[in-house]
Amino acid sequence: AQKITQTQPGMFVQEKEAVTLDCTYDTSDPSYGLFWYKQPSSGEMIFLIYQGSYDQQNATEGRYSLNFQKARKSANLVISASQLGDSAMYFCAIGSSGSARQLTFGSGTQLTVLP
Amino acid sequence: GAVVSQHPSRVICKSGTSVKIECRSLDFQATTMFWYRQFPKKSLMLMATSNEGSKATYEQGVEKDKFLINHASLTLSTLTVTSAHPEDSSFYICSARDYRTGGIHTQYFGPGTRLTVL
Repeated sequence: AQKITQTQPGMFVQEKEAVTLDCTYDTSDPSYGLFWYKQPSSGEMIFLIYQGSYDQQNATEGRYSLNFQKARKSANLVISASQLGDSAMYFCAIGSSGSARQLTFGSGTQLTVLP
Repeated sequence: GAVVSQHPSRVICKSGTSVKIECRSLDFQATTMFWYRQFPKKSLMLMATSNEGSKATYEQGVEKDKFLINHASLTLSTLTVTSAHPEDSSFYICSARDYRTGGIHTQYFGPGTRLTVL
């Protein structure tokens, strides 16, 4: 079984500042992937970034970076230079390397960027 | 990038009726699609894994007779909510895996369907 824990139900950040959204995970799979998705009020799930369990380097995608600490089982998302359009719900998810490869999601963090 | 569509985007129905939601992969083949349910301000909960040409695999606690899933082609999966009740009102989201590129992270989400049962 896999589990994702997001302990921050809500976060506020000033525009242009950086913010870190926390995510810890638990899995018995030796190979897995960690994902971050953004869900604006429209409901669509927007893929942000992916980190494989065997990747040596932390993943980066533009203003998004994933702080992967395997020993601590954490996969925090760092958003640099926050923009008003970043206000949304953010979900961390884990997927196994098994044949089904479905995702298990955390409870989410509502990020609000203040002008 | 790959696109997944859902239809309808929004549906309102009367209690006791059945509602069909379609999930299509528009430019790739998806042998596996997933159906999630999301309550307001809550996380996505996996309902079932839909496999082309075979029966869906349902998660524990999901009634297979109530939530009928059909994956008849490599680009289409349907979720039918039978005899809908107000407690079935929710946001239903599908996702599809692109097997062309393989890998764990080639999964694309549809825009979701908001179901309201009166």
